[in-house]
Amino acid sequence: AQSVTQLGSHVSVSEGALVLLRCNYSSSVPPYLFWYVQYPNQGLQLLLKYTSAATLVKGINGFEAEFKKSETSFHLTKPSAHMSDAAEYFCAVSTGANSKLTFGKGITLSVRP
Amino acid sequence: DTGVSQNPRHKITKRGQNVTFRCDPISEHNRLYWYRQTLGQGPEFLTYFQNEAQLEKSRLLSDRFSAERPKGSFSTLEIQRTEQGDSAMYLCASSSGTGHFDGYTFGSGTRLTVV
Repeated sequence: AQSVTQLGSHVSVSEGALVLLRCNYSSSVPPYLFWYVQYPNQGLQLLLKYTSAATLVKGINGFEAEFKKSETSFHLTKPSAHMSDAAEYFCAVSTGANSKLTFGKGITLSVRP
Repeated sequence: DTGVSQNPRHKITKRGQNVTFRCDPISEHNRLYWYRQTLGQGPEFLTYFQNEAQLEKSRLLSDRFSAERPKGSFSTLEIQRTEQGDSAMYLCASSSGTGHFDGYTFGSGTRLTVV
């Protein structure tokens, strides 16, 4: 079985500050990991994905994430927050051939001016 | 290709009525997935197709729910005898193969409200 834990439901940062959104996963086999962003009343947009190549993954809009097997983590970071980053962020894991995604509960990011 | 298209965007129905949603995936994608998202939660897997074959169904998919993908193109999700607990955003996604390497493309969803 696979699962994702996103601790905390809300993170608030000032514009220009570091963004750090935490994600821990559980999987009995090597995982594929994803971060998605969701704006109000919209679908999910892929930010980045880990597919067992480089452990540091760069995505769109200046986001990046590092896969740490020893910590079973895949935290999302961005050096400098922008107002447009305010949204809900979901971490997800997929394993094996069935390819279904298991999502965390999501974290709402607020950016203060 | 304009991505994954879902219709309608919003649906309000009375309890006990049947509803049907449609998803048009990216044309070259052979896998299609349905997820349900309730307020404050992450999307939960419902079912997926590879071409026209439905390969897996979640236990969340009660016998009131049925999904089809005729000819391996668009898909429909029908809910019979809707209940208030069915109110949610229904998301469709598609992928080429497992999606592990190219990712999954999501539609904008259909928001169902059962009154």
